[in-house]
Amino acid sequence: NAGVTQTPKFRVLKTGQSMTLLCAQDMNHEYMYWYRQDPGMGLRLIHYSVGEGTTAKGEVPDGYNVSRLKKQNFLLGLESAAPSQTSVYFCASNRPDRAHHNEQFFGPGTRLTVL
Amino acid sequence: AQSVTQLDSQVPVFEEAPVELRCNYSSSVSVYLFWYVQYPNQGLQLLLKYLSGSTLVKGINGFEAEFNKSQTSFHLRKPSVHISDTAEYFCAAFSGNTGKLIFGQGTTLQVKP
Repeated sequence: NAGVTQTPKFRVLKTGQSMTLLCAQDMNHEYMYWYRQDPGMGLRLIHYSVGEGTTAKGEVPDGYNVSRLKKQNFLLGLESAAPSQTSVYFCASNRPDRAHHNEQFFGPGTRLTVL
Repeated sequence: AQSVTQLDSQVPVFEEAPVELRCNYSSSVSVYLFWYVQYPNQGLQLLLKYLSGSTLVKGINGFEAEFNKSQTSFHLRKPSVHISDTAEYFCAAFSGNTGKLIFGQGTTLQVKP
């Protein structure tokens, strides 16, 4: 099993450009999450999904959109990138058999720089 | 407010010395607690978790943590660190109200030879 994978690993954007980050998991997990990691701030939840076709806002959703068209994939979109979105983005997933307190499995991250 | 606080942003320590990374959580979060490790340029990996039962939890790589309900703490310890333990460590708590994990700010462990 590959676990949780993310593409791309690195990306540099200019202000105003758009892009989509792809997260894929092969563990048949129901729940998936997008976080951003910034120095001194830990991980902050952007959006999450509790199943195919459903999404919900997290702690810092502004400027991002997500889609969960297939159970194994969770896409994070930036429609008009801003320098404040320079960050490392992590995707995670877990099973709901005992609700969210099961451990989350993380992808390797995408390092995004917006100039 | 629901929060997880890691009391040290950086912890320098010499190789083979013991280390403790401190974590406190607010009483408004549940007592499902986690420690994750992030090695340079990698994702987060679960070190250990406390869900119930014994308050002393053992994890991978010789780490252990003790759940202390009265002090609302979940400190991570290792009796003898290695250079390879150099990484960032995150404490996290599951919030029963929101159904989400709340992360601390992270502690960078720097092990020196």
